[in-house]
Amino acid sequence: AQSVAQPEDQVNVAEGNPLTVKCTYSVSGNPYLFWYVQYPNRGLQFLLKYITGDNLVKGSYGFEAEFNKSQTSFHLKKPSALVSDSALYFCAVRERDYKLSFGAGTTVTVRA
Amino acid sequence: EAGVAQSPRYKIIEKRQSVAFWCNPISGHATLYWYQQILGQGPKLLIQFQNNGVVDDSQLPKDRFSAERLKGVDSTLKIQPAKLEDSAVYLCASSYGLAGGNEQFFGPGTRLTVL
Repeated sequence: AQSVAQPEDQVNVAEGNPLTVKCTYSVSGNPYLFWYVQYPNRGLQFLLKYITGDNLVKGSYGFEAEFNKSQTSFHLKKPSALVSDSALYFCAVRERDYKLSFGAGTTVTVRA
Repeated sequence: EAGVAQSPRYKIIEKRQSVAFWCNPISGHATLYWYQQILGQGPKLLIQFQNNGVVDDSQLPKDRFSAERLKGVDSTLKIQPAKLEDSAVYLCASSYGLAGGNEQFFGPGTRLTVL
C-alpha cells in the first residue's frame, strides 16, 4: 500500500486565488512529512516539513501546510497564488527505515 | 552554499549499452541518495549511503545497476546493460544525516533516454 497519496493529478487556479494541494498519508506513529516542488528540468526543491509541534507549518515562497492527525492529511496551502507557482508538487513521508516515500505528484497551473 | 551537482544532465544510449552518472553532494552531508523518477511518477529510492556504506539498496535492480561512494563523498551510479524501461530521470540527493527531520537536497538530475 502506498504510504502517501496525492488525490489530484492537477490543480488549476487563477492568480490571486487561494491554492490548496492535497496529501494524505498512511504510516503509523508520528509521521515526518515533507513538501517538495519541482520546476521543469530541475531537481526537487524543499518547501517545508512537519516533525512535531505546531500543526501549521510555514515554509518557503509563502507556502504553509497543515498537519491533521485525525484525518491523516498534510495539505499544502498558499493564500494568494502566483503564476510563478506553476510547477509539480510532491508530498513525501519518512518511513520507519528512514526512506522517503513520495506521492505521484500534483501539477499546479496558475493562470494570469 | 553550493548545491548537489550531477553530470551529465542528459544522456541518450541504445539498449544493452552501459551508462554512468556522477553526483557530488553538498559539502558535509553524510547521507547520499539515488532516486529514479519515471515520467508521471514520484521519485523512487534506488540506494542510500551513509558515508561510504550502503544503508539501503533493497530497490536497486542489482543484476544491472550498481553504485558506489568511494571516500564517502562523490558517488557514481552505473547501468549495465540498459533496458528501454530504464528511461527516466536519475536524481541524486544528500542530507546532513539519517535523522528523520533532515530534509534532502536534490540535484538537477540526469535525464536518460534508452532507444
